Amino acid sequence: RKEVEQDPGPFNVPEGATVAFNCTYSNSASQSFFWYRQDCRKEPKLLMSVYSSGNEDGRFTAQLNRASQYISLLIRDSKLSDSATYLCVVFYNQGGKLIFGQGTELSVKP
Amino acid sequence: EPEVTQTPSHQVTQMGQEVILRCVPISNHLYFYWYRQILGQKVEFLVSFYNNEISEKSEIFDDQFSVERPDGSNFTLKIRSTKLEDSAMYFCASRVGLAGGSTDTQYFGPGTRLTVL
Repeated sequence: RKEVEQDPGPFNVPEGATVAFNCTYSNSASQSFFWYRQDCRKEPKLLMSVYSSGNEDGRFTAQLNRASQYISLLIRDSKLSDSATYLCVVFYNQGGKLIFGQGTELSVKP
Repeated sequence: EPEVTQTPSHQVTQMGQEVILRCVPISNHLYFYWYRQILGQKVEFLVSFYNNEISEKSEIFDDQFSVERPDGSNFTLKIRSTKLEDSAMYFCASRVGLAGGSTDTQYFGPGTRLTVL
């Protein structure tokens, strides 16, 4: 089983659509969770951290279910500029390394 | 806003040659990392570095790889004898790592694209 697994994608949605990304992780000792976004051939950029209580940042909502080892990201009212690859990322305190999922590509069309 | 910088942005080398990739982490950060991403694949952890020593390394980080913090600002990744399969994007990252607060966030540099011919 992969350490971090995401929906394979790609997702092609019209502007204004709501889109949900799902992610599961295999190591219950995982400490922190993040969504990063990566534009083509660029570095990963932090989109938001994910907390058990759920957290929202404008049009973006992230949820964490530790019991199910499941992480989600919801984008509402999607914009053309949201087109990118969304990376589910898990942080392990030992050594502090990040483990990345393979990413889910999102393409928002006019 | 402080950022991680990397040089060069693109490095082309012949198989068997040595390359050094350079990074300047954010100045008050204590933990440093190298990751790589082969084209079309996921980002993979290579090595973490803290207090002037390696704290963890992956299976990818074999004897051909080494890291160094030669002075107070630079963090380098050396590949001694490059192979074709080393062609990838190499990202440096750093994090604060201080107790308290949101210290787990890693900030990535723009990457060095390494092409081995």
